[in-house]
Amino acid sequence: AQSVTQLDSQVPVFEEAPVELRCNYSSSVSVYLFWYVQYPNQGLQLLLKYLSGSTLVKGINGFEAEFNKSQTSFHLRKPSVHISDTAEYFCAVSDQQGGSEKLVFGKGTKLTVNP
Amino acid sequence: DAGITQSPRHKVTETGTPVTLRCHQTENHRYMYWYRQDPGHGLRLIHYSYGVKDTDKGEVSDGYSVSRSKTEDFLLTLESATSSQTSVYFCAISERQGAQPQHFGDGTRLSIL
Repeated sequence: AQSVTQLDSQVPVFEEAPVELRCNYSSSVSVYLFWYVQYPNQGLQLLLKYLSGSTLVKGINGFEAEFNKSQTSFHLRKPSVHISDTAEYFCAVSDQQGGSEKLVFGKGTKLTVNP
Repeated sequence: DAGITQSPRHKVTETGTPVTLRCHQTENHRYMYWYRQDPGHGLRLIHYSYGVKDTDKGEVSDGYSVSRSKTEDFLLTLESATSSQTSVYFCAISERQGAQPQHFGDGTRLSIL
């Protein structure tokens, strides 16, 4: 079974600074990888996904993530954050094998952008 | 945004009472999911459905049951609510599992006193 570890539960940064939210996964098979964002009192929205191909994936709101198979990581980055990026971010993984490929989520990272 | 409606959005009830949460979709997606979200645990899958009357258990299914009699509706029932089931519940849908991302509703905040 796969699992996801988000290494930081909280990340405070100043506005316009770069940020990296870390995600590592474990799985015995190839995986699909996702980052979701959750704003206060809302559901989760898809930021970006890695299915195959280029290991650098660009998403909405200026975020990008890089898939590193050897390090089993899928870290999320943004070169310059805004106050509006304050939210909780979830990394998720799904096995590529046929059958019941359910999503497994990390415990989340709360990003707080300070002025 | 995907057409997903959860009802009710908020509910307060007492221990031992039955509770049913509803998820309604207008996307005609095959797969529907119920998650619970708790601080420090992220989202955990309770049950999911892969078609009308086809359901399966997730990671934290004890104390919960589900039903799907129509493509658009997926019900989550707590037969006898306990305080440990106080949580925020999210419904999600997807066209298929694996590569297709899931789309989430806005959640139901359930408090069991």
